[in-house]
Amino acid sequence: QVQLVESGGGVVQPGRSLRLSCAASGFIFSDYAMHWVRQAPGKGLEWVAVVSYDGSDEYYADSVKGRFSISRDNSQNTLYLQMNSLRVDDTAVYYCAKDGLLLVLGDYFDYWGQGTLVAVSS
Amino acid sequence: SYVLTQPPSVSVAPGKTAKITCGGSNIQIKSVHWYQQKPGQAPVLVIYNNGDRPSGISERFSGSNSGDTATLTISRVEAGDEADYYCQLWDVDSDRLFGPGTKVTVL
Repeated sequence: QVQLVESGGGVVQPGRSLRLSCAASGFIFSDYAMHWVRQAPGKGLEWVAVVSYDGSDEYYADSVKGRFSISRDNSQNTLYLQMNSLRVDDTAVYYCAKDGLLLVLGDYFDYWGQGTLVAVSS
Repeated sequence: SYVLTQPPSVSVAPGKTAKITCGGSNIQIKSVHWYQQKPGQAPVLVIYNNGDRPSGISERFSGSNSGDTATLTISRVEAGDEADYYCQLWDVDSDRLFGPGTKVTVL
């Protein structure tokens, strides 16, 4: 079965960096685009970024553009999110999510990890 | 940018039908997806492309999309359906966009 396991969260000061990882299994990782979606404490869901199945295309929410970078290693079945210049309002649970469509950039998420908490605080 | 609206809360008695709406300008031309999120858990896809149900999702969940409103319908509501429900779509200006969410309470 599909499994997505995030790691790398923690407490970080404003302006610092953090890298999240998501280990995938149970499906052909290199056939699907992958996303990061976040949820601030007590708030709703916010899409963050997507990377195409082969890593050639990336798209970002305006709120993180220029600060966050999404990437993937298909040889290791792992998705990454490099977060730089972190701000207090980046505090959230970060979920990795599998795209619902094969070999294209789709617009829905059919499997989600359990999330990793990033807390930005001085 | 595109704006989605959802009622903050919906209450329903067990065995009855719950309807959760998602409003947006001419939303009928877009593909709407729905997620269920229980407290402390990750979201789960329950409806995609307006009315398709992923494998493993109960037939009690159905979706429709017409005019300016998409609707998630939960038939024969059970206590285990109590959760937050989010609609989501793709828009050329707003990219992948979620609604604000609706808390469903089973009375």
